[in-house]
Amino acid sequence: DGGITQSPKYLFRKEGQNVTLSCEQNLNHDAMYWYRQDPGQGLRLIYYSQIVNDFQKGDIAEGYSVSREKKESFPLTVTSAQKNPTAFYLCASSMAGTGGTDTQYFGPGTRLTVL
Amino acid sequence: AQTVTQSQPEMSVQEAETVTLSCTYDTSENNYYLFWYKQPPSRQMILVIRQEAYKQQNATENRFSVNFQKAAKSFSLKISDSQLGDTAMYFCAFMMVRAGGTSYGKLTFGQGTILTVHP
Repeated sequence: DGGITQSPKYLFRKEGQNVTLSCEQNLNHDAMYWYRQDPGQGLRLIYYSQIVNDFQKGDIAEGYSVSREKKESFPLTVTSAQKNPTAFYLCASSMAGTGGTDTQYFGPGTRLTVL
Repeated sequence: AQTVTQSQPEMSVQEAETVTLSCTYDTSENNYYLFWYKQPPSRQMILVIRQEAYKQQNATENRFSVNFQKAAKSFSLKISDSQLGDTAMYFCAFMMVRAGGTSYGKLTFGQGTILTVHP
């Protein structure tokens, strides 16, 4: 069945380590997004990609990196440069079009905790 | 830059009653989309309703409807016949649109309103 999957559901990281969060979609969507959610706050955009091999920084890209080698995959790496990485990370995807096709649909999220 | 404000951190309602969640936004753009998303305790973000700014008619999806006031930059969500499954955090979000109609793809979210439906 179609949807967006994120793995792992929970991730623990030691300080100084890089970790990679996985996001895969089989909806044939062109665009994919990464958001960060902190307690009591709304979602903030980290990176987004509207086509393969191209991506743009969002509002809080520092300390993060992404790649988009395949249409269905958009992994996010949280580097050691990210000073406060403990948060809930949500991946989303959408068609790149008009008339409602660009509505974003979300995966189930990954909870990252730095020990 | 666009901003979205939800002034009600928490709301509660009795089952079967109606509740309205508030959202205001600030933009100098004329063409944009507005959304309400729901995040239940599972933390899965679920689209509730979408409104195109060029449409005067308010969007409706079953028990959910919006009151879109473009001049006032207000976009409230009304939930009728509230159900226990409506208990969730609700987020208002804004998306800018290019002149040709395609979006920039970036969603700007408000801080959220926690809604509790009591039996």
